[in-house]
This record gives sequence, structure tokens and C-alpha cells, in this order.
Amino acid sequence: GQSLEQPSEVTAVEGAIVQINCTYQTSGFYGLSWYQQHDGGAPTFLSYNALDGLEETGRFSSFLSRSDSYGYLLLQELQMKDSASYFCAVRDIDKFYFGSGTKLNVKP
Amino acid sequence: EPEVTQTPSHQVTQMGQEVILRCVPISNHLYFYWYRQILGQKVEFLVSFYNNEISEKSEIFDDQFSVERPDGSNFTLKIRSTKLEDSAMYFCASKSGVETQYFGPGTRLLVL
Repeated sequence: GQSLEQPSEVTAVEGAIVQINCTYQTSGFYGLSWYQQHDGGAPTFLSYNALDGLEETGRFSSFLSRSDSYGYLLLQELQMKDSASYFCAVRDIDKFYFGSGTKLNVKP
Repeated sequence: EPEVTQTPSHQVTQMGQEVILRCVPISNHLYFYWYRQILGQKVEFLVSFYNNEISEKSEIFDDQFSVERPDGSNFTLKIRSTKLEDSAMYFCASKSGVETQYFGPGTRLLVL
């Protein structure tokens, strides 16, 4: 079967840096995406890594190591509005497997 | 900014009834998706659709489910005979050729 593991919850203070890890075991792999979801809202695309290395988009960066089946999302200069759930998702051709999500609590 | 829209926002139905969930993807997008999310759980892929046919489907997407793009703008998910366990939020998403998928606001389906 397909499995993606993420921590269930992370807490950090405003202005800090937080890293959310994702390890995956899937039959196929084309890339790893990250999504943000606020309570009651739709997932919002944050980033995508198809190759090893770091991708940076503003305060958010995402890293992938295909040999380790591992990736992470790095959020810098945390703001209260970053409090949300974050999902990693593996793309296998045009099928997507999501992790169970990490709830990020940002405290003042 | 263009966005994906979905109707209805909420749907209540009786077990065994058919429901059709509607989506209007972003107009120049070519790839379309349906996902579901049971309350408090992860997002689950149902089906992808490209060039007027299903590209991929998950194990969840069995014979009770079907998708259609009846015209140039709508993308529908039909559930033929709903079960209690079909109660979930259903999200439609679309993308152009790049990786960014844009999700609609979802339809909350409750099967009684």
C-alpha cells in the first residue's frame, strides 16, 4: 500500500522557523507537493519538488531527497495566519496520495 | 483571479439516492480532479480526468462513481447509490500543464 508519514501536530511561536517532515512509501513517485488547509477551507497549493534539493517560495521552502523518500516544508518568520494544517502529497503519474496532515499552531 | 467553483455548497441526501456534484474548473485548465475528505481526516484522491477521459482513479472510485464533462465548462461527479460512508467534503481541483492544482471550496455531502 501507499503510506505517507507526517507529525500530527507542531507548535511554534510567531517569528520562529518550523520544519514539517514527510516520509513516504509509494509504488510510484513523480514528485512531492505541499498544501495548506485552514479549518473548513480548501487545500491551497504551496510547493512541488520533482527533483532533489530545495525550492524556495517567499517564506516557504520545500526540500526533497528521493533516495531517502523524505521531504520537508520549512516555514520561516511564522505569522499567526500560518496556523493551519499542512499536507504532503505524492504524485504518481496523475494520481495523488496525501499524508494525514500536520496541524501547525502558531502562538504569540 | 480565476477560481474553481462548486455547487451546491451543502447537500443532504437519503441513503440509496443519487447525487450529482458540480464543478466549474478554471477556464484554460486541462486537468481535472475530484477528491474527498472525511471530517478530520486526510484528503483522498478519487479520480483525474484529461482530454475527456479518466486518467487515473483510486480504489475508492468504484462503479457507484462516475465523472463527466458535459460541456466546455462543467465537470461533474455522480454518486449513483449513496451510502452513509460517502458523507464527506468533496473537492474539485483543476490545473493547467504545471503542477499547481487549484481547489474549489468543496461540497459537504451528508448521507442520512
